[in-house]
Amino acid sequence: AQSVTQPDIHITVSEGASLELRCNYSYGATPYLFWYVQSPGQGLQLLLKYFSGDTLVQGIKGFEAEFKRSQSSFNLRKPSVHWSDAAEYFCAVGGGTGTASKLTFGTGTRLQVTL
Amino acid sequence: GAVVSQHPSRVICKSGTSVKIECRSLDFQATTMFWYRQFPKQSLMLMATSNEGSKATYEQGVEKDKFLINHASLTLSTLTVTSAHPEDSSFYICSAERTGSGYTFGSGTRLTVV
Repeated sequence: AQSVTQPDIHITVSEGASLELRCNYSYGATPYLFWYVQSPGQGLQLLLKYFSGDTLVQGIKGFEAEFKRSQSSFNLRKPSVHWSDAAEYFCAVGGGTGTASKLTFGTGTRLQVTL
Repeated sequence: GAVVSQHPSRVICKSGTSVKIECRSLDFQATTMFWYRQFPKQSLMLMATSNEGSKATYEQGVEKDKFLINHASLTLSTLTVTSAHPEDSSFYICSAERTGSGYTFGSGTRLTVV
């Protein structure tokens, strides 16, 4: 069964500081990996996704993530955090598109940004 | 880009009544849509997979008679919470799969049963 672990429930960083959110997954085949962001009371917005190819993926809002198969990880990074980045971040794994594969989400990491 | 519209965004209903939530893909056809439930400060839990023209596939532990899903067209799926009770109060989110693009999520529906 597929699973996702986000070890950090809550992270606080100062505005302008760098950020790394951890994500580890378990999947029996080649995983399709996603990072989503959710503001309070809102749906999910896709930040980036990894399907294949270059293991360093660029996303929106200055985010990037690196797929490391040997570590079963897909950590999200941003070099300089802005106050507007405060939100809940979810990592998810699925079997791919076009196959109606289910997404499994991690428990989320709440990011707080201090000024 | 792919856009999914979900309505209503908030709904308050009395215990025992039914509530319908709509999920529409606005600029693409979605043969498959997914319905999730999210409890406060928790992750999303998949409830069911909605397939156009066929019965939905429910996850283990989800009552199919309570959470009725209809996917009558390639752009619309509905979730009806029947005989709602306070414990059904939650945040419900739909998503639609677009081939080659992944999954697009609606903005969610906050259901409060009083």
